[in-house]
Amino acid sequence: ETGVTQSPTHLIKTRGQQVTLRCSSQSGHNTVSWYQQALGQGPQFIFQYYREEENGRGNFPPRFSGLQFPNYSSELNVNALELDDSALYLCASSSRGSSTDTQYFGPGTRLTVL
Amino acid sequence: AQTVTQSQPEMSVQEAETVTLSCTYDTSESNYYLFWYKQPPSRQMILVIRQEAYKQQNATENRFSVNFQKAAKSFSLKISDSQLGDTAMYFCAFTQRNSGGSNYKLTFGKGTLLTVNP
Repeated sequence: ETGVTQSPTHLIKTRGQQVTLRCSSQSGHNTVSWYQQALGQGPQFIFQYYREEENGRGNFPPRFSGLQFPNYSSELNVNALELDDSALYLCASSSRGSSTDTQYFGPGTRLTVL
Repeated sequence: AQTVTQSQPEMSVQEAETVTLSCTYDTSESNYYLFWYKQPPSRQMILVIRQEAYKQQNATENRFSVNFQKAAKSFSLKISDSQLGDTAMYFCAFTQRNSGGSNYKLTFGKGTLLTVNP
């Protein structure tokens, strides 16, 4: 069974630029959730995707957007990067409709905005 | 809004001893799940244990067990026979079942940094 994978591992951008982060869900999972984890904090929910549609959103501005593809993989896009966007971005996949529906996390992408 | 509180920013324990991490939560929902996740310095978030709110029996996974007190909204994690590899940040998390019967977003506490000393 293949776990959740994310790319790239690390990324350095400058303020104002745009970034795309990628996530491949665990085999058999149909739902992807994205979280932002600032240094020393717990993860904060950004949004969730199911059947290629956004299925709920946290308190993040519209410049945070996402996509889910037919193979259930997902992208997180952030436009007009700000210094405060520097964080670890975690992707989690789950199987909606299953008895457990537990979210399993990828290794994360560390984004640094200069 | 749901909140999760972990009141112990840091804890330490000697190898082979037992340690308990505390977590309280606030919700008006009756159908929800609680989790403990572990995040080692390598940063990958790993599921430790989960508890369904409707189950009275406390969940156990090998050396890990929980004390779930629904009325008190308390969900502590007990680690028995602590090992050096247990050194990590531990996060308590909450999710509610939505009307469609699926889990939604996870709400995390701020975490407890556990250090296991040799």
